[in-house]
Amino acid sequence: GEDVEQSLFLSVREGDSSVINCTYTDSSSTYLYWYKQEPGAGLQLLTYIFSNMDMKQDQRLTVLLNKKDKHLSLRIADTQTGDSAIYFCAERLNQGGKLIFGQGTELSVKP
Amino acid sequence: GAVVSQHPSWVICKSGTSVKIECRSLDFQATTMFWYRQFPKQSLMLMATSNEGSKATYEQGVEKDKFLINHASLTLSTLTVTSAHPEDSSFYICSASWAGEQYFGPGTRLTVT
Repeated sequence: GEDVEQSLFLSVREGDSSVINCTYTDSSSTYLYWYKQEPGAGLQLLTYIFSNMDMKQDQRLTVLLNKKDKHLSLRIADTQTGDSAIYFCAERLNQGGKLIFGQGTELSVKP
Repeated sequence: GAVVSQHPSWVICKSGTSVKIECRSLDFQATTMFWYRQFPKQSLMLMATSNEGSKATYEQGVEKDKFLINHASLTLSTLTVTSAHPEDSSFYICSASWAGEQYFGPGTRLTVT
């Protein structure tokens, strides 16, 4: 079946790097996503990676994909207090298909 | 581009009444929209997939007679929670599909008293 797992909490100090991890079960996933949700708001797409890629970097964000272990990570360099939010990973099985979300990781950035 | 709005952003209603939530794609046309529900500190759970001009496809366990979805145009889908009860209190988020990606609305907080 389809299942996406994340750790629930992560606390870092401002300026440090944050690494949020995610595992998924469906090997036929075509795209894997990272979304950010601030309190009381909708989801903001941060980045995504196609399943045939190993890594994608976009400014402070680095996504690593280990397809063999079905493990996805999001690294945020130089984490700022404004990065405090809940981060969801999600997998999509095919073009236009439904998204399966993880439970979300609450990132707390301390000054 | 690819902006999705929801209205209202929050609503409080009495138990037994019905509430309609609108989801609009502002700068693109979306043949497919999705409705999610999110309980506090939990993930998003897909409720249904809404296709313009046809009946919505509901996920297992979601009552289609309670959560009425209408996708009457390429830019508007509505979710009506009928005979709402306190357990329906939740954060409802829609998304609209465009160019193979989903773009999310800001969500609607429903509180049933």
